[in-house]
Amino acid sequence: AQSVTQLGSHVSVSEGALVLLRCNYSSSVPPYLFWYVQYPNQGLQLLLKYTSAATLVKGINGFEAEFKKSETSFHLTKPSAHMSDAAEYFCAVSEWNSGYALNFGKGTSLLVTP
Amino acid sequence: GAVVSQHPSRVICKSGTSVKIECRSLDFQATTMFWYRQFPKKSLMLMATSNEGSKATYEQGVEKDKFLINHASLTLSTLTVTSAHPEDSSFYICSATTVIEAFFGQGTRLTVV
Repeated sequence: AQSVTQLGSHVSVSEGALVLLRCNYSSSVPPYLFWYVQYPNQGLQLLLKYTSAATLVKGINGFEAEFKKSETSFHLTKPSAHMSDAAEYFCAVSEWNSGYALNFGKGTSLLVTP
Repeated sequence: GAVVSQHPSRVICKSGTSVKIECRSLDFQATTMFWYRQFPKKSLMLMATSNEGSKATYEQGVEKDKFLINHASLTLSTLTVTSAHPEDSSFYICSATTVIEAFFGQGTRLTVV
């Protein structure tokens, strides 16, 4: 069975600083990996996904993530944080034969300070 | 991208009553939809997989008689919380999948009083 672990339930960065949100996965088969963002009382918005193509994935709003098989990681980064990036971020994993049912990490709350 | 509409966005109901939540894929057909539950400050937990024209598949620990799922068409799945109790209060989110991506509804905040 596949799973993801997000290190750090809360991350605080200054506006303009680098954002790094960590995600490690466990999967018995090559995984599909996703990062989603959630604003309060809203659904999930896909930031980016890895589906066995390029290991460096670029997403929306300036986010990107790199799939590292040797480290079983899929960390999310953004060079310069904006105040609007403050939200809850979820890493998720799916196996191709699961019908795209997603297993989510516990989430990381990103706080951006002025 | 594809749009998934979930309704209602918020609902308050009395303990013992039933509540129906709808999930529609607006511009694509979804043979499979998923229902998730999210507790405050917690991650999303997969409740069940809804397959068009067949019975839903429930995850371990999810009461299928309490959380009734119907997927009558390729664009509509419904979740009915039967005989709701305060502990059923939560944020429920559906998703519908295309070939390579899952799209999420906006979620339903259920409060049982």
